[in-house]
Amino acid sequence: KAGVTQTPRYLIKTRGQQVTLSCSPISGHRSVSWYQQTPGQGLQFLFEYFSETQRNKGNFPGRFSGRQFSNSRSEMNVSTLELGDSALYLCASSFGPNQETQYFGPGTRLLVL
Amino acid sequence: QKEVEQNSGPLSVPEGAIASLNCTYSDRVSQSFFWYRQYSGKSPELIMSIYSNGDKEDGRFTAQLNKASQYVSLLIRDSQPSDSATYLCAVRSTGNQFYFGTGTSLTVIP
Repeated sequence: KAGVTQTPRYLIKTRGQQVTLSCSPISGHRSVSWYQQTPGQGLQFLFEYFSETQRNKGNFPGRFSGRQFSNSRSEMNVSTLELGDSALYLCASSFGPNQETQYFGPGTRLLVL
Repeated sequence: QKEVEQNSGPLSVPEGAIASLNCTYSDRVSQSFFWYRQYSGKSPELIMSIYSNGDKEDGRFTAQLNKASQYVSLLIRDSQPSDSATYLCAVRSTGNQFYFGTGTSLTVIP
């Protein structure tokens, strides 16, 4: 089985721009979670989707949003980028609603200048 | 108070020794516990999961869970230089939300 894929792998943007990141989960997995990883804060939960519904949301401003499509692929969008949004954005997929085990994609490294 | 706490390290052990990594969590009703390994510049990969009190062994890795003390540990026996990485403790808490510790950096010295 192919693993979790994320595109793009690297991205450079400037302050004020917006960005959309994509995640394709492992085939058959219906739950997708997004995390932001920075050296100082570690892995922080952004949101989780299951069957196109957002089930959980972390403590991030409304500039961060996401969605999931019927094929379980997910996108996250960050609007009005700030320097502090520079981070590794990781997507993780799991099979069912209880997301017992999460498998991570390679991540998208975002640099905001 | 953070949901999941780990010593950031760095932890250095000689090759062949036992590395001991520790993690505490705050949500008493947490149900599932995971250890991930993350090499520099890579994404986390699952090493072990544990759900019940006691020990769970998988090869050179042993996870230990003590729900009364809200404590999870990972022992790596016969440590190898290839084990050098950051180890992340993760807890699935109420509402099915995952919380991660900030990770412990392990260096195995040949």
